Amino acid sequence: EDQVTQSPEALRLQEGESSSLNCSYTVSGLRGLFWYRQDPGKGPEFLFTLYSAGEEKEKERLKATLTKKESFLHITAPKPEDSATYLCAVRTYSSASKIIFGSGTRLSIRP
Amino acid sequence: ETGVTQSPTHLIKTRGQQVTLRCSSQSGHNTVSWYQQALGQGPQFIFQYYREEENGRGNFPPRFSGLQFPNYSSELNVNALELDDSALYLCASSFQTGGEENGYTFGSGTRLTVV
Repeated sequence: EDQVTQSPEALRLQEGESSSLNCSYTVSGLRGLFWYRQDPGKGPEFLFTLYSAGEEKEKERLKATLTKKESFLHITAPKPEDSATYLCAVRTYSSASKIIFGSGTRLSIRP
Repeated sequence: ETGVTQSPTHLIKTRGQQVTLRCSSQSGHNTVSWYQQALGQGPQFIFQYYREEENGRGNFPPRFSGLQFPNYSSELNVNALELDDSALYLCASSFQTGGEENGYTFGSGTRLTVV
């Protein structure tokens, strides 16, 4: 069964303290891996799509990387406004109409 | 370019009742997907509509049904509501052509509470 697991469940950092969020996946055939940001009471906001191992994408303080088994979302010198839940999701070739989400990492940045 | 609009934003229903949630797709998008998100969990796929036909379904019972209209807007209907149906219901639109689909744009969701 296709599965996405995110860790840690929650992470509290001091402003400026860099860290990484992990997304491990077990799928029959990866068609794409997505990162979304979700603020409380809002829908997920698209951040990145990664397609193949070794691929990297950056946006401001965020960088996403992909291997054959996991993806990392690196946060460099975070600010309080980066506080949110970060969701990882995959689309597979066997079930291309749906995206399978992990449970997310709740990130809190203290000033 | 307008985003994805969902209505209503909040709804309280009684167990056993029926509910209809609505979604207007982002301009230019032809595919709509519906997700259920319980508190503290990731979104779970309910179903997807493309060209007014159901194009995939997750592990949800038949009392969850949907429609897509010619203007690509969509409805999610849930019959015989249960307490466990309380969740945030998210609509996501995208553009699909030749079997390929671009990334989702999500709406802000409808918070359904069943009492």
